[in-house]
Amino acid sequence: EVQLVESGGGLVKPGGSLRLSCAASGFTFSSYSMNWVRQAPGKGLEWVSSISSSSSYIYYADSVKGRFTISRDNAKNSLYLQMNSLRAEDTAVYYCARVEMLDYWGQGTLVTVSS
Amino acid sequence: QSALTQPASVSGSPGQSITISCTGTSSDVGSYNLVSWYQQHPGKAPKLMIYEGSKRPSGVSNRFSGSKSGNTASLTISGLQAEDEADYYCCSYAGSSTLFGGGTKLTVL
Repeated sequence: EVQLVESGGGLVKPGGSLRLSCAASGFTFSSYSMNWVRQAPGKGLEWVSSISSSSSYIYYADSVKGRFTISRDNAKNSLYLQMNSLRAEDTAVYYCARVEMLDYWGQGTLVTVSS
Repeated sequence: QSALTQPASVSGSPGQSITISCTGTSSDVGSYNLVSWYQQHPGKAPKLMIYEGSKRPSGVSNRFSGSKSGNTASLTISGLQAEDEADYYCCSYAGSSTLFGGGTKLTVL
């Protein structure tokens, strides 16, 4: 059974940093591209970033480019999102999701940016 | 990176059919056969319902179908059931990015 479990969310002050993790199981993690998608409270879904299976291709939404860094460790079956210079508008539930079609999603981790 | 356009809400009675549209551009929906649709119930993670425009993942009811014409994709739900009430999002691959629609709230009357 495919499972994706996010962690690392919490309350952080504007300008602060946070690192999210996504632990994958039930499939050959190293063979699949991965994504981060977020959802602000009461709002719609927003794609944040994607990374190819070997980390050769990495893409970001304009809204996070230069502040967020996606990475992965295939040996640990884990996906990461380093978030720096956080703003109030980054407050959201962050989901990790598998491949371009986003076929499997985790349960999400809440990031709150507030002073 | 503009969002795809969906109606904010649609409604229908049990047993009826409804269609949700998703309008993009020639750079996203119109260029790739990579439109997907997600169902999201309150407090839950999104669930893939349709991928590559019209394909259903294993386990998704055949009451759900997808299509595309030009820059507009559509999701049709036939034989509406109470449990179909949820938010629905379209999504399109757009080269170096992925775009979502703003979401459509489906109410089953």
